[in-house]
Amino acid sequence: DAGVIQSPRHEVTEMGQEVTLRCKPISGHDYLFWYRQTMMRGLELLIYFNNNVPIDDSGMPEDRFSAKMPNASFSTLKIQPSEPRDSAVYFCASRYSGGWTEAFFGQGTRLTVV
Amino acid sequence: DAKTTQPPSMDCAEGRAANLPCNHSTISGNEYVYWYRQIHSQGPQYIIHGLKNNETNEMASLIITEDRKSSTLILPHATLRDTAVYYCIVNNAGNMLTFGGGTRLMVKP
Repeated sequence: DAGVIQSPRHEVTEMGQEVTLRCKPISGHDYLFWYRQTMMRGLELLIYFNNNVPIDDSGMPEDRFSAKMPNASFSTLKIQPSEPRDSAVYFCASRYSGGWTEAFFGQGTRLTVV
Repeated sequence: DAKTTQPPSMDCAEGRAANLPCNHSTISGNEYVYWYRQIHSQGPQYIIHGLKNNETNEMASLIITEDRKSSTLILPHATLRDTAVYYCIVNNAGNMLTFGGGTRLMVKP
């Protein structure tokens, strides 16, 4: 398996624009997580899904952020409208719940909002 | 989830053992200790986890004290590629991993 795949790897956008980050989890994994990493706040869990259903979105900073998982092989994190303070590296991770297994992280999307 | 405390940074000589401590004095009976690391610009990577007993795998060893209030991750022969931020996480299900500040390990030649 190619691992967790995120796209794009880098995104530069202007303030006010809509941004969509994409994630393809490892096949067969039933948990998917979205994290955000900044120098100031470190790694923060934004939301996670189990079997495509959002379980906990308490980490989503505000209504400008939304996440979907339309099927087991694809998830999106959308920011609308984007603001400079949204600049961060966004990581997606997936995990299989059968027995204990670790979470596998993607390479991240570096978002810069100017 | 129980809170963890780690030193912000440590140095280690290449080829020597790196011992990274973690305090988790409020850990509850069903919570595991997990270690992940993050090499610069990459996503975090799982290293090892344990509940009560000491654990060893191809990457590292995990020593958990008998009262489970602290643990130590041991990299037996650190290499330059082990330079990373190491996160100790306490969690009861493996989900909702909450990352603290971690320890920045610098392996020096």
